Amino acid sequence: GAGVSQSPSNKVTEKGKDVELRCDPISGHTALYWYRQSLGQGLEFLIYFQGNSAPDKSGLPSDRFSAERTGGSVSTLTIQRTQQEDSAVYLCASSSGFEAFFGQGTRLTVV
Amino acid sequence: QKEVEQNSGPLSVPEGAIASLNCTYSDRVSQSFFWYRQYSGKSPELIMSIYSNGDKEDGRFTAQLNKASQYVSLLIRDSQPSDSATYLCAVADYGGSQGNLIFGKGTKLSVKP
Repeated sequence: GAGVSQSPSNKVTEKGKDVELRCDPISGHTALYWYRQSLGQGLEFLIYFQGNSAPDKSGLPSDRFSAERTGGSVSTLTIQRTQQEDSAVYLCASSSGFEAFFGQGTRLTVV
Repeated sequence: QKEVEQNSGPLSVPEGAIASLNCTYSDRVSQSFFWYRQYSGKSPELIMSIYSNGDKEDGRFTAQLNKASQYVSLLIRDSQPSDSATYLCAVADYGGSQGNLIFGKGTKLSVKP
């Protein structure tokens, strides 16, 4: 595709449910980032994948959060037992070097 | 703790004026610097990248980098109301813990007609 694609665009879930957010990076981009942005706040780094290297998970806020990247392409961010404080926009970006391009984001609302 | 600092604003300028956005970073080994624009409710959009000391111009935008002072800025000439957005400074950090890309919290720019 022409850009980074994220799905779903919006997700409303009940507290305690698990959710999966998907990111399809730009073809050929080896680096993939997940960020979280709460309303009116800056970007909070979550996790970074680079090629076949072990991911940098240092930004994951708790063990309820996990992410994987299959075949060096599509990535899934999973949040288990969602809490209201997980409500935010989850942004994915990909890069072939240091210029990173963002998807449109997934707005997650936990009710 | 490697950091990227920006004034949160809001920075308000009249239409047609020059808007000056500033960013400082803590890590001397950083090599690559980026400016993103984020409209309300949208995702960040890359508008400038700069890798060498000095100025880089692209249309109405000029990025300025001073590695000795650990300072990068963005100038927007002939500011338009459509430039009203939050501008995020990002720094590539070799060997950093945040996947080599650290963001400031952004400066909100408002251009008044």
